[in-house]
Formats: sequence, C-alpha cells, structure tokens
Amino acid sequence: QQQVKQSPQSLIVQKGGISIINCAYENTAFDYFPWYQQFPGKGPALLIAIRPDVSEKKEGRFTISFNKSAKQFSLHIMDSQPGDSATYFCAASLISGGYQKVTFGTGTKLQVIP
Amino acid sequence: DTAVSQTPKYLVTQMGNDKSIKCEQNLGHDTMYWYKQDSKKFLKIMFSYNNKELIINETVPNRFSPKSPDKAHLNLHINSLELGDSAVYFCASSHTAGPYGYTFGSGTRLTVV
Repeated sequence: QQQVKQSPQSLIVQKGGISIINCAYENTAFDYFPWYQQFPGKGPALLIAIRPDVSEKKEGRFTISFNKSAKQFSLHIMDSQPGDSATYFCAASLISGGYQKVTFGTGTKLQVIP
Repeated sequence: DTAVSQTPKYLVTQMGNDKSIKCEQNLGHDTMYWYKQDSKKFLKIMFSYNNKELIINETVPNRFSPKSPDKAHLNLHINSLELGDSAVYFCASSHTAGPYGYTFGSGTRLTVV
C-alpha cells in the first residue's frame, strides 16, 4: 500500500521533445506528490509538487498532471534540453502520527540528446 | 550558504572499520533524515529525527546508529563496516508540519573495500 510505481526506468528524448514520466500509487491517504531531480554527484532537489485537489500544476517547462480517480500522476517536460538530463524521482507523502512519511518511486534516468 | 551540508563527501575504508558521517542544516527545519541510495539509485529511508527525537527507524542493521545533538545536526555512525554498506548516503531535512518537500545534502559516497 505504501508503494509508488514509476516508469519508465530510463528515457531518451531528442532536444526539443516532450519527456513524460509516469507514477502510480495505491494508498489514497497520500496527500502530497513531489517530483525530485537528481544530477550525478548531487542530492535530489525538489522540482515541483502537487496536492490531490488539483489536476495540473505548471512551472515553466515542467508540468504535473494528476488523475486522482486513477491514482496516477505524471511529469511532463516540454521542450526538453540536454541540461534536463538527470534522474527524476516521483514521491508521495502522507502525515502519519503527526509526521510526514514520504515514499519515493524507483527513479527514471532521462537523457536528452542534441 | 549551503542549506544541508554533509561531511565527508567521499569515504573509502576497509571492512570492519567504524566511520561517521556528519550532517548539518541551516534552514530552521525540525526534522532530519538519513537515506541510503544504492547502485540502482533507489532511495531508502533509514532514520528520521524530529527535534532530537527518533521518529522513524526502518529495518537497518544495528551497526548503524544515528545521533542528533540538536535539531540542526544529525550524524550517522557505522560500526564494523561491510562490503554491502557501500552506497551513497544522503542527509535531508524538512519542516515537520507538512506536507513540504525535503532538502537533501549532496551525499556521502561510502566505499568499503
């Protein structure tokens, strides 16, 4: 019930294309869905996040689409650039015992080729 | 100013040794975490501390012992290091009253030889 399934494991996109990463969850108690971006040799960094009461959130070229009934959410990177090449993690969190508990997806390695 | 800083960045040591990793955050967060990232990039929670109190202790060998002297610091001590402990260890912090994203440190790459 605590799993977050992420796909694909790896993704190659041409510069200017759209990168799409998908995640699915089971636990309907999750109430916050962040995405993290990790460059080699660095820690994950919060990229964008959404609450389940909205269906879409956009920040620049990054958009989260959220489907509450299907228990799925996805990250879309428009006009993908070589600088977007990184590993992306979806996550889902809930408050348990007064504390935030976060479950991470397994990561997607994105490579944007010129 | 680095928000979450870990030291050392790299650690190479022999099996059986004891080592420590230090973490400090200057964000005013009251919850800190240790995560282990394996070679497949999977992020696994190890421990979580809130205001110096242990709140999450996942299934981790008791050779791993966290210590939080204050809410801005969380250290990780590892006894009798094994080959399988080789990984990247990340410290992170957040506000308790969520939901909020985590701020991660840049990691400590531990290699046990």
